Amino acid sequence: EAQVTQNPRYLITVTGKKLTVTCSQNMNHEYMSWYRQDPGLGLRQIYYSMNVEVTDKGDVPEGYKVSRKEKRNFPLILESPSPNQTSLYFCASSLGRRTEAFFGQGTRLTVV
Amino acid sequence: KQEVTQIPAALSVPEGENLVLNCSFTDSAIYNLQWFRQDPGKGLTSLLLIQSSQREQTSGRLNASLDKSSGRSTLYIAASQPGDSATYLCAVLSNFGNEKLTFGTGTRLTIIP
Repeated sequence: EAQVTQNPRYLITVTGKKLTVTCSQNMNHEYMSWYRQDPGLGLRQIYYSMNVEVTDKGDVPEGYKVSRKEKRNFPLILESPSPNQTSLYFCASSLGRRTEAFFGQGTRLTVV
Repeated sequence: KQEVTQIPAALSVPEGENLVLNCSFTDSAIYNLQWFRQDPGKGLTSLLLIQSSQREQTSGRLNASLDKSSGRSTLYIAASQPGDSATYLCAVLSNFGNEKLTFGTGTRLTIIP
């Protein structure tokens, strides 16, 4: 089944403890993105990647890192999480530029 | 800067009725517009994608229209069912900038049995 898979689905952590949220797609898509969703603000792009080793900042990149060492994987790294990063995170992928986007099931992160 | 608005934020209708969800965007320089459905704990599901050159797209009981010049899109749901209850999001991909979808904040739809 074609899908975008995120792990973990739920995570509670403490301020400053480094964490990684994984994202994997099995559709051989070139483009991958991370978004966060907050009440009243909608989804906002954090980072995106156009292909292996090619990444760029979205609208809200502060406090996040990404890497794209393999085409199928696009992990989101929070080096020192803070409470304002408590949010619902989505990974997305698309076949190429300006094509249909497919989203993962989301990761609900709480930083205390 | 592109902004996307969805009004109303919530809508309740009796089962069986036809309904329309609205989406408006401020900059008509878009490449495409996508409608999603969001269910709690299940992420976003792509419903329909309309390219800027198209006027509408249909999938089953769903029909999405696009009027790029006026900055509007509608999602028409025919013969609504309780299973249609969800939050519906629209997102636009602008011609400028990076490969970024700009989302509205959604309409939470409840179908009353």
